[in-house]
Amino acid sequence: AQSVTQPDIHITVSEGASLELRCNYSYGATPYLFWYVQSPGQGLQLLLKYFSGDTLVQGIKGFEAEFKRSQSSFNLRKPSVHWSDAAEYFCAVGESAGGTSYGKLTFGQGTILTVHP
Amino acid sequence: NAGVMQNPRHLVRRRGQEARLRCSPMKGHSHVYWYRQLPEEGLKFMVYLQKENIIDESGMPKERFSAEFPKEGPSILRIQQVVRGDSAAYFCASSSLAGGSEQYFGPGTRLTVT
Repeated sequence: AQSVTQPDIHITVSEGASLELRCNYSYGATPYLFWYVQSPGQGLQLLLKYFSGDTLVQGIKGFEAEFKRSQSSFNLRKPSVHWSDAAEYFCAVGESAGGTSYGKLTFGQGTILTVHP
Repeated sequence: NAGVMQNPRHLVRRRGQEARLRCSPMKGHSHVYWYRQLPEEGLKFMVYLQKENIIDESGMPKERFSAEFPKEGPSILRIQQVVRGDSAAYFCASSSLAGGSEQYFGPGTRLTVT
């Protein structure tokens, strides 16, 4: 069964500092990987996704993530954090087309990001 | 193009009552997923539906929970005889493909059982 681990429950950074949120997954085949962001009381917004091809993917709001198959990781990065980035971030893995789980997503526990001015 | 719509946004029910949560997918999407987010936990898959069919309900509790996606109208998640442990945020997502495409999430319905 697929699984996702986000080792950091809570991260605090200063505005303008760089950010890296960790995500490790367990999946037998080539995964589809996603990062979503959730602001308090809101739904989830897709930041970026990896399906295939270039292992460094660019997303919205200046975020990027790198797929490393050898490390089973898909870490999210941003070079300079803004106060508006404070939210909870979820990494998710979905099964590739043709699999048996019909694309349902398995989410990590989430990482809460606090940004200090 | 409207996004995924969910209503109500907030729902309060007393123990033993029924809760009905509605989800209208994005235009052109025929695949609907329901997820539950319990306090202090991530999102957990509940059920995957296409029009008039339940495809995968492996994440649904065995009792009191049911889901449908009729030919016309929104998808409905129904919880009978609610208990305090059902208090959570319930999110609906839709996609254009079953696997291999991103899922777009609605704003969620926050259910509180008193």
